[in-house]
Amino acid sequence: DVKVTQSSRYLVKRTGEKVFLECVQDMDHENMFWYRQDPGLGLRLIYFSYDVKMKEKGDIPEGYSVSREKKERFSLILESASTNQTSMYLCASSPIEPSYEQYFGPGTRLTVT
Amino acid sequence: GNSVTQMEGPVTLSEEAFLTINCTYTATGYPSLFWYVQYPGEGLQLLLKATKADDKGSNKGFEATYRKETTSFHLEKGSVQVSDSAVYFCALRHSGNTPLVFGKGTRLSVIA
Repeated sequence: DVKVTQSSRYLVKRTGEKVFLECVQDMDHENMFWYRQDPGLGLRLIYFSYDVKMKEKGDIPEGYSVSREKKERFSLILESASTNQTSMYLCASSPIEPSYEQYFGPGTRLTVT
Repeated sequence: GNSVTQMEGPVTLSEEAFLTINCTYTATGYPSLFWYVQYPGEGLQLLLKATKADDKGSNKGFEATYRKETTSFHLEKGSVQVSDSAVYFCALRHSGNTPLVFGKGTRLSVIA
């Protein structure tokens, strides 16, 4: 059974803290993605990665960075957390062929106070 | 650019009612189209998909037909159940190895 896991379901951090969100997939997928989900705005792509050590900016990369040192792991980093980064963060992975279907983790609800 | 527009929710239906959630897209060429579902407290999971015009995707009683002439991929179910209460997302993939583009989601509540 395919699986994408995220390090925490709930996280509370203070403004200015450095925050790491970890995502691991066990399907040997080439692609990995980070989204944030907010009411009324749907899913917005933050960053994605096609391969180890490669990254591409999505629609809203400001305030975030990512790291992909191993194929199965994709980390999202908030260098200095702010209250407007309070959100649900979803990680996903997908193969290149044939369907490109994206598999999602359960999400991390981050609250920045 | 590529985009997806879904009907705004929330949608509230009684059990056994007919469901339609509208989805239209803007894209050049021939994108692949998807419906994802997010149950409370969970991540998204693929519900159904269609990769070319006139294809019909189906799963768990849900159906959607890829209509290129109207650039639409409306989700339908003949008889909804309380367990169908969730947020539904329409999405497209334009071509090659590119990320999915999602609509804003439609929340469905089914009451007994």
